[in-house]
Amino acid sequence: QSALTQPASVSGSPGQSITISCTGTSSDVGAYNYVSWYQQHPGEVPKFMIYDVSNRPSGVSNRFSGSKSGNTASLTISGLQADDEADYYCFSYTTSNTYVFGTGTKVTVL
Amino acid sequence: QVHLVQSGPEVKKPGASVKVSCKASGYIFSNYHLHWVRQAPGQGLEWMGLINPRDGDTSYAQNFQGRVSMTRDTSTTTVYMELTSLTFDDTAVFYCLGECNGCYYPESWGRGTLVTVSP
Repeated sequence: QSALTQPASVSGSPGQSITISCTGTSSDVGAYNYVSWYQQHPGEVPKFMIYDVSNRPSGVSNRFSGSKSGNTASLTISGLQADDEADYYCFSYTTSNTYVFGTGTKVTVL
Repeated sequence: QVHLVQSGPEVKKPGASVKVSCKASGYIFSNYHLHWVRQAPGQGLEWMGLINPRDGDTSYAQNFQGRVSMTRDTSTTTVYMELTSLTFDDTAVFYCLGECNGCYYPESWGRGTLVTVSP
């Protein structure tokens, strides 16, 4: 099972919106709506941000939103803030009853 | 509230094995799958596998098949991840994660256990 493909880095200015893509195959991202997203600040434990493609857990800002089209899922951060600077990982269930992470994206706030 | 407490850091020699524990509390033990994830220094997250504490069923990532074993002790609500034939590439933080049965997304993370493979 290969890792899902994410851009290595995405950047934006405060207040702008950015989108991180997560491309898989018909055996993972495209197979089910079981894509989640995690945010990881340096030296910290990852934080759960999005589940089932587009749902936010309690306590997560509505500036974070998720979507999916075919084999590609996306995470959009609107109203970019300094604290959004972190690494982001997508995560998907697969048709083999396994899971796979994305390669990770470093978000930089300019 | 799911609470996962992992065992402390380990230092191992190449070729050795390591067994990391993750004690679960705050919920019914059998109601959550426990996943294990590896993160090497400066690298991304890598899913290793999961165990269903209800019946001990496991699912492992192909990259770790034959080298990883996940078990559970229901009397102490603890799951274990054993990784054998360690190499320098196994130097990493290992996390356990909790996923409610049928949720398909781990929502709770342990603090991580650093395993260092050193000669």
